[in-house]
Amino acid sequence: AQSVTQPDIHITVSEGASLELRCNYSYGATPYLFWYVQSPGQGLQLLLKYFSGDTLVQGIKGFEAEFKRSQSSFNLRKPSVHWSDAAEYFCAVGANGNKLVFGAGTILRVKS
Amino acid sequence: NAGVTQTPKFQVLKTGQSMTLQCAQDMNHNSMYWYRQDPGMGLRLIYYSASEGTTDKGEVPNGYNVSRLNKREFSLRLESAAPSQTSVYFCASSVTNYGYTFGSGTRLTVV
Repeated sequence: AQSVTQPDIHITVSEGASLELRCNYSYGATPYLFWYVQSPGQGLQLLLKYFSGDTLVQGIKGFEAEFKRSQSSFNLRKPSVHWSDAAEYFCAVGANGNKLVFGAGTILRVKS
Repeated sequence: NAGVTQTPKFQVLKTGQSMTLQCAQDMNHNSMYWYRQDPGMGLRLIYYSASEGTTDKGEVPNGYNVSRLNKREFSLRLESAAPSQTSVYFCASSVTNYGYTFGSGTRLTVV
């Protein structure tokens, strides 16, 4: 069965510093991979997605993610974090039947 | 341009009470989903509906029932609420290729 692991429950970075959020997936075939962001009290917003092709994917708000098949990873990165990036981030993999399987999430705190 | 609308936004129930969470989408999407979100567990699929007239169990269906009333509406019912069902519930709809749109959630507390 498909699964997603986000090893870091919480991450704290200073404003202006770079960010990397880790995501590992388990899936037998070529995966469809996603990163979502959730601000407090809000729904989920899609940051970026990978279906095929170029393994470096650009998303909204200056985020990017790199698909590494050999490591079963799809890590999210941002070169310079802003205070408004503080939120919870979810990695997800597309499962059979157009379903999404989510990781447990990583809470990002930004210190000024 | 409402997208996915969930009602209510907040609800407190007593153990054993029943209630229905409503979800409606105006994007003409075929597929609809109900997820629950719990701290440290991400979002887990309760039920989904691939198209009007069909529903299927997800990862955590026990204690819930659903109705796909028409293409727009997909409701989630708790027949006898339990404290373990305290959670935030999200409805979503999608086209193919996982193009999900999420509602803003219903925060349910069962006391």
